[in-house]
Amino acid sequence: KAGVTQTPRYLIKTRGQQVTLSCSPISGHRSVSWYQQTPGQGLQFLFEYFSETQRNKGNFPGRFSGRQFSNSRSEMNVSTLELGDSALYLCASSLLSGRGQPQHFGDGTRLSIL
Amino acid sequence: AQSVTQLGSHVSVSEGALVLLRCNYSSSVPPYLFWYVQYPNQGLQLLLKYTTGATLVKGINGFEAEFKKSETSFHLTKPSAHMSDAAEYFCAVSDRDDYKLSFGAGTTVTVRA
Repeated sequence: KAGVTQTPRYLIKTRGQQVTLSCSPISGHRSVSWYQQTPGQGLQFLFEYFSETQRNKGNFPGRFSGRQFSNSRSEMNVSTLELGDSALYLCASSLLSGRGQPQHFGDGTRLSIL
Repeated sequence: AQSVTQLGSHVSVSEGALVLLRCNYSSSVPPYLFWYVQYPNQGLQLLLKYTTGATLVKGINGFEAEFKKSETSFHLTKPSAHMSDAAEYFCAVSDRDDYKLSFGAGTTVTVRA
């Protein structure tokens, strides 16, 4: 069974640009969550989607947005990129939404802002 | 909101020695508890989880963790460290009425030959 697939693996952007990251969950999984990992702040929750609806959102500015498609694939968009957005962005999927469901992570997209 | 504390950002053990990684959470209501491992340039891999039932949980690669409600702890152990255990380990919790994971700061384990 294929795992969570994130594309691209690496991305370099400049300040002010926007970026879209993609996540394909494990087949059959309907919940997709996004996390930001940085050396300074650690792992922080961005948002979670279930059946195309955002169920939960972390404490990030509105420049960070996401969506989920009917096939459960998800995209995350960051607009007006700042240097502080440089991070590893991790996507995780689970069969159902929350309530103790284990989340399975992809290998992440490493975003570097110049 | 939950907070998770992992004591010790770095742990160094000899091959064959006990690995003990400490995790404490803040909630008075027992949350769901998880341990994840991250190898360089990879995502997080689930080692084990506690939801309900038996408080001693066995996971993959010989790891186990014990949930202690009175101590609000969920420490991870492995009786005998292997070189392949060198990685970063994260404790995570989610509230029983929430959907997100809150992570500890992580503990990097190095294994000495």
